[in-house]
Amino acid sequence: KAGVTQTPRYLIKTRGQQVTLSCSPISGHRSVSWYQQTPGQGLQFLFEYFSETQRNKGNFPGRFSGRQFSNSRSEMNVSTLELGDSALYLCASSPQGGDQPQHFGDGTRLSIL
Amino acid sequence: AQSVAQPEDQVNVAEGNPLTVKCTYSVSGNPYLFWYVQYPNRGLQFLLKYITGDNLVKGSYGFEAEFNKSQTSFHLKKPSALVSDSALYFCAVRIPSGYSTLTFGKGTMLLVSP
Repeated sequence: KAGVTQTPRYLIKTRGQQVTLSCSPISGHRSVSWYQQTPGQGLQFLFEYFSETQRNKGNFPGRFSGRQFSNSRSEMNVSTLELGDSALYLCASSPQGGDQPQHFGDGTRLSIL
Repeated sequence: AQSVAQPEDQVNVAEGNPLTVKCTYSVSGNPYLFWYVQYPNRGLQFLLKYITGDNLVKGSYGFEAEFNKSQTSFHLKKPSALVSDSALYFCAVRIPSGYSTLTFGKGTMLLVSP
């Protein structure tokens, strides 16, 4: 079974631009979560989608948004990029959440110049 | 609110020696507990979980963890460390109610020397 696929792996943007990151979950997984990982803040939860509905949202500004499609693929968008948005963005999927472990992709490394 | 503490930024151990990576948690009620490992330039890999039942949980790559409710701890252990175990380890907690989120500790870097 194929794992979680995130594209692109690396991305360089400048301040003020916007970016869209993509995540394809494991087949059959309906829950997709996004995390931001930085050396200073560690792993921070962005949001979770389940069956195309946002089920949970972390404490991030409205510049961060996401969506999930009917095939469970998910996208994350960040508008008006700031230097502090430089991070590794990780996507994770699970069948439904709860006691089921999340399976992570290898992330998208976003660098803001 | 739920939280996880990993009190050690780094743990150093010699190959062949036992290793312990510490984790304590704070939740209301009974927790779901997880351990993940992250290698450089990779995502997190699931190692093991505690949901209910036996307090000693066995996972991948020879790792195990002991759930201690009275001490609210879930320490990761391995009897004999390998150099290849060197990586960043994360403990995570989730409450089994509603649509709760997974909360991670800040991570512990494990360095195993030859």
